[in-house]
Amino acid sequence: QKEVEQNSGPLSVPEGAIASLNCTYSDRGSQSFFWYRQYSGKSPELIMSIYSNGDKEDGRFTAQLNKASQYVSLLIRDSQPSDSATYLCAVNPLYTGNQFYFGTGTSLTVIP
Amino acid sequence: DAGVIQSPRHEVTEMGQEVTLRCKPISGHDYLFWYRQTMMRGLELLIYFNNNVPIDDSGMPEDRFSAKMPNASFSTLKIQPSEPRDSAVYFCASSLVAAGQGRTGELFFGEGSRLTVL
Repeated sequence: QKEVEQNSGPLSVPEGAIASLNCTYSDRGSQSFFWYRQYSGKSPELIMSIYSNGDKEDGRFTAQLNKASQYVSLLIRDSQPSDSATYLCAVNPLYTGNQFYFGTGTSLTVIP
Repeated sequence: DAGVIQSPRHEVTEMGQEVTLRCKPISGHDYLFWYRQTMMRGLELLIYFNNNVPIDDSGMPEDRFSAKMPNASFSTLKIQPSEPRDSAVYFCASSLVAAGQGRTGELFFGEGSRLTVL
């Protein structure tokens, strides 16, 4: 079992819709969770970090964490064509120092 | 700050040749990471350093790979001899905040070095 799993997609949504991206992780003791966005041919850039159960909102982005179920999700409201990218979920398991495990990413396309 | 700087951006070489990738982390960051990204396996951590000391190299594929960090502002990843299966994008990333109280800081990535081994 991989440390972090994501639906690879591709996921297509119309402009203005809500895009929902999901991620599950295997280490129950994980404490730090991140969503990165990666445009084609570019490097990953941080979108959201979340550490506590519940929702965290930042503009059009909302991260949701449920440690009991071991999943973390990212909602993108009012999706824009510029949101078209691959979204990577990253987890820092407990007692691994500063090691991050990344999922393979979900490709999102927002259709104008 | 200019961010994490990697060189070369692109490298095409022949099987058996030595490849050296270079990285300059963000000034003041005390963690440096080397990742490899392929379509099949995604982002894989190869090795990371804390204050120039290698902490975890369990992701280094085999003895053909080696990494050094002689000072706080420079790191290299070397592949010798290179093989076609090493073709990938290699990212260097740095981080300021260490894991503490269960929390970990953000990774800042360089633009990557795309390696093609023929």
